[in-house]
Amino acid sequence: GQQVMQIPQYQHVQEGEDFTTYCNSSTTLSNIQWYKQRPGGHPVFLIQLVKSGEVKKQKRLTFQFGEAKKNSSLHITATQTTDVGTYFCAGRQTGANNLFFGTGTRLTVIP
Amino acid sequence: GAGVSQSPRYKVAKRGQDVALRCDPISGHVSLFWYQQALGQGPEFLTYFQNEAQLDKSGLPSDRFFAERPEGSVSTLKIQRTQQEDSAVYLCASSLVGQGLTGELFFGEGSRLTVL
Repeated sequence: GQQVMQIPQYQHVQEGEDFTTYCNSSTTLSNIQWYKQRPGGHPVFLIQLVKSGEVKKQKRLTFQFGEAKKNSSLHITATQTTDVGTYFCAGRQTGANNLFFGTGTRLTVIP
Repeated sequence: GAGVSQSPRYKVAKRGQDVALRCDPISGHVSLFWYQQALGQGPEFLTYFQNEAQLDKSGLPSDRFFAERPEGSVSTLKIQRTQQEDSAVYLCASSLVGQGLTGELFFGEGSRLTVL
């Protein structure tokens, strides 16, 4: 079945440092979404990528979708304490109904 | 309401009891998903509805799990004869778009089930 792995599982950074999480799928995806879940909260949508090689930016966040549409990354520049949480990628196979979530990367930002 | 509403927020059940978890999606949303999230893990897909039709139930872990959305709005996830391994947060999410299309999921706060 479809598997979506993320690395690293945990990341501790000093405030102001950069952060990157990588998402890898065992199968080709039709699109990929990214979500953020704060401690004790529920996943909140960040962005969706559809095209091969697509790059999107949201302020300090940069999202990329691989050329083969099997991997993706999220990069945060100059982290802030408000960035704390677990970041999940979620992918969908072409024609499939279900959205598979990755294993997540938990980010801790040290002030 | 303005968002996805789930109830109860917390449920403690004795092993062997049946439980029912309710989800009120955003009005007009076609798609509804149920996910199971164990502590420290990512959400695991359980089932998907498009309106009242259950199009995918491949993620339901056993025949003790049953979900319905009879009128295409409110959904109920029922777990029969609960086991300790069923302890998790059950997340409901809705999306405006339907099958084959893509759209962001709006999640509820979840129902935390603890089976003793």
